[in-house]
Amino acid sequence: GAVVSQHPSRVICKSGTSVKIECRSLDFQATTMFWYRQFPKQSLMLMATSNEGSKATYEQGVEKDKFLINHASLTLSTLTVTSAHPEDSSFYICSALFRQGRTSSEQYFGPGTRLTVT
Amino acid sequence: QQPVQSPQAVILREGEDAVINCSSSKALYSVHWYRQKHGEAPVFLMILLKGGEQKGHDKISASFNEKKQQSSLYLTASQLSYSGTYFCGTESGSGNTGKLIFGQGTTLQVKP
Repeated sequence: GAVVSQHPSRVICKSGTSVKIECRSLDFQATTMFWYRQFPKQSLMLMATSNEGSKATYEQGVEKDKFLINHASLTLSTLTVTSAHPEDSSFYICSALFRQGRTSSEQYFGPGTRLTVT
Repeated sequence: QQPVQSPQAVILREGEDAVINCSSSKALYSVHWYRQKHGEAPVFLMILLKGGEQKGHDKISASFNEKKQQSSLYLTASQLSYSGTYFCGTESGSGNTGKLIFGQGTTLQVKP
């Protein structure tokens, strides 16, 4: 159980274009999903918390107009990188929050999307 | 604040043991451990809640010292498949957000 998919796995786009990445929880409902960015050999940097039916919460330093997040259903969150530039090239990973009763919750990660902006 | 992991890297022979530590300056509600292989997503290993518990399955176990805000991951009789980067993710506060801050990672290489 607790499977999360992400699409596409790889995308190459030209500078100035927008790219949409989808994150789906396949076998559970996730009211909360998270979006991370990871540079080579570095840690997972939280970009934003996506909540179903409400606005996303962005971490400090993350431009919300550049990284648009929409959590339209209990199984789908999307991240749109608008007007992408080469510095946006990175590995983007989503996770879905699986709540274990009232006391704890676990994050399950999607396989990631490798974005290359040329 | 980002938790601090130690060591940064470790190289083992098959069958040897390893300990990876995770320390935080903030009061923690829970600690989550993940393993990530190159080019792949992190895979959930286990979660420890405040209260000072210890968990384990197979040859991987972990402990959480609430007083010290530290967690340790124990890998015993390591196998080649244990190679990868291990991250701890810490959750502060009351634990109702699920939001994790990850350490910088510990790279583990197991050689035959």
